[in-house]
Amino acid sequence: QSALTQPASVTGSPGQSITISCTGTSSDVGGYNYVSWYQQHPGKAPRLMIYDVTNRPSGVSNRFSGSKSGNTASLTISGLQAEDEADYFCSSYESRGAHVFGTGTKVTVL
Amino acid sequence: EVQLVESGGGLVQPGGSLRLSCEASGLGLSNYWMHWVRQAPGKGLVWVSRINGDGSYSSNADSVKGRFTMSRDNAKNTLYLQMNSLRAEDTAVYYCARDAGWRFDPWGQGTLVTVSS
Repeated sequence: QSALTQPASVTGSPGQSITISCTGTSSDVGGYNYVSWYQQHPGKAPRLMIYDVTNRPSGVSNRFSGSKSGNTASLTISGLQAEDEADYFCSSYESRGAHVFGTGTKVTVL
Repeated sequence: EVQLVESGGGLVQPGGSLRLSCEASGLGLSNYWMHWVRQAPGKGLVWVSRINGDGSYSSNADSVKGRFTMSRDNAKNTLYLQMNSLRAEDTAVYYCARDAGWRFDPWGQGTLVTVSS
């Protein structure tokens, strides 16, 4: 159950777009369309932002979008805003019936 | 509104035991798989355990197998995590979360477990 690989940090200016990658294997990210993304502000619980690779829960801004190619999933935040500054984690179902999270990415808004 | 509230965290010595609880409101727990996820201080999220709707099946991450047991009491709308043989590396905030279909939503606010002598 090795963690999925994410960049440690991504930085952008207000209004810009940024993309966070999440790389796994054919036993998790590549094998299932069950990738989800979570936003976590300091001291708070994680919040679901994207599920099933591309779907947004109600209440989540359409500035957040997800995609997948092979063993790598991506989260794109467009029109970056100060409130988007947070940690982001991907997650995937895996073939052994467990769930695996990414290493986490700290998004900084300049 | 669906709410999950964890409790039972605290300071415990290495080798000790602790039982966490997660009480749900706004939903009938029996309809859902549920999970525990933990986060060590300053670190990432790690999936710990899951249980099916009627409590007849559960599975754990390799790191806690044989030491942690997840259970539920649907009549009380409450989830439990029995943690035995605790180690320093089990120190973390423990979150319960609903399985909303291969995704975790919502999450509780978390309860801190500190394993230290």
